[in-house]
Amino acid sequence: DAGVTQSPTHLIKTRGQQVTLRCSPKSGHDTVSWYQQALGQGPQFIFQYYEEEERQRGNFPDRFSGHQFPNYSSELNVNALLLGDSALYLCASSLRVTGDRGYEQYFGPGTRLTVT
Amino acid sequence: QQQVKQSPQSLIVQKGGISIINCAYENTAFDYFPWYQQFPGKGPALLIAIRPDVSEKKEGRFTISFNKSAKQFSLHIMDSQPGDSATYFCAAIPDTGRRALTFGSGTRLQVQP
Repeated sequence: DAGVTQSPTHLIKTRGQQVTLRCSPKSGHDTVSWYQQALGQGPQFIFQYYEEEERQRGNFPDRFSGHQFPNYSSELNVNALLLGDSALYLCASSLRVTGDRGYEQYFGPGTRLTVT
Repeated sequence: QQQVKQSPQSLIVQKGGISIINCAYENTAFDYFPWYQQFPGKGPALLIAIRPDVSEKKEGRFTISFNKSAKQFSLHIMDSQPGDSATYFCAAIPDTGRRALTFGSGTRLQVQP
């Protein structure tokens, strides 16, 4: 059973550039959430996609956008990169059902983004 | 606004000892409380979780204790092993339809042989 996969593993970008990160959810999952984890801190929620629409959004600017495809995979786009965007970007997948299974989120290994 | 407060920031335990990590929350809408384990360079892994109508949940060497009235919960790792050395995060999800995890700040656990 394939877990959550993310690509690329590492990425180095220059301030002002744009970046796209990709995520494939765990087999059978239909919901993808993105989190930003700065060094030494807990992950911060960016947004969540279900049925190809953004359903919830955390406290992140519009420079952060996303997309979900019919096969449930997802992309995170960040425009006009700032030095402060350097972080580990995590994708988590879940299944939109009632009960405890609907709360379980499984994370991928993350993409380490460095902005210079 | 930090909605989930976690302590201690770091913890050193001898092999075979008990590791205890504490969390407190403010939002009474939180309805699910998972713990995640994260090794360096890896994503967080779901370890164990509890709902507020249960006071304790045990899975192997890992136990969650939950105090709804105090809005506190804790993770106990029994017979701690060097392989348990990792960063542990408590988290919470509300029952209002949002499925966004709110994480604590993390506890770096080191189990000495």
